[in-house]
Amino acid sequence: RKEVEQDPGPFNVPEGATVAFNCTYSNSASQSFFWYRQDCRKEPKLLMSVYSSGNEDGRFTAQLNRASQYISLLIRDSKLSDSATYLCVVNSFGNSYGYNKLIFGAGTRLAVHP
Amino acid sequence: DADVTQTPRNRITKTGKRIMLECSQTKGHDRMYWYRQDPGLGLRLIYYSFDVKDINKGEISDGYSVSRQAQAKFSLSLESAIPNQTALYFCATSDHRRSSGRYNEQFFGPGTRLTVL
Repeated sequence: RKEVEQDPGPFNVPEGATVAFNCTYSNSASQSFFWYRQDCRKEPKLLMSVYSSGNEDGRFTAQLNRASQYISLLIRDSKLSDSATYLCVVNSFGNSYGYNKLIFGAGTRLAVHP
Repeated sequence: DADVTQTPRNRITKTGKRIMLECSQTKGHDRMYWYRQDPGLGLRLIYYSFDVKDINKGEISDGYSVSRQAQAKFSLSLESAIPNQTALYFCATSDHRRSSGRYNEQFFGPGTRLTVL
């Protein structure tokens, strides 16, 4: 089983639509959670962190359900420029070096069309 | 934003050749990482380095080696390239002062697309 699992998509939505992505993680000891965005053939960039209480950044809302080990990203009023792959990322604690390793999901592809 | 640079950006090579991918950063970060990305898979960690004197294997280090020549430079070598090392390779950096709890952001270079024939 992958440590971080995402629906690969693609999600094809019209401009203005609301779309939600889900992600599950297997390590119950994980402490930090993130969504990264990756444009085609480009590097990943941090979109937002995910806090236990849920958090919002403009049209983007991230939520965390620790009991179900589940993270979500909601995008409202989709724009053409939102077309990208969204990577769910989990911070895995606890190796002997104390290194907080980031575990990346394979990503969910979003295509927003006019 | 050219804070993390990688060279070359694209490389085609043959099986058995030695290849070096280079990464430089001007962010002043102490931690550097090498990942590879394959279609349908998440980024996978090859090696990471906390400072010039510290090198650690990641989850897929076999067939790779690294060198941290300076705080700002971290090179990845494929001693004898094989076709299943064809992938997109990313270098990343982070600042240890902001590498705990919520602040684990990593900053990525533009990637090197490597093809091994």
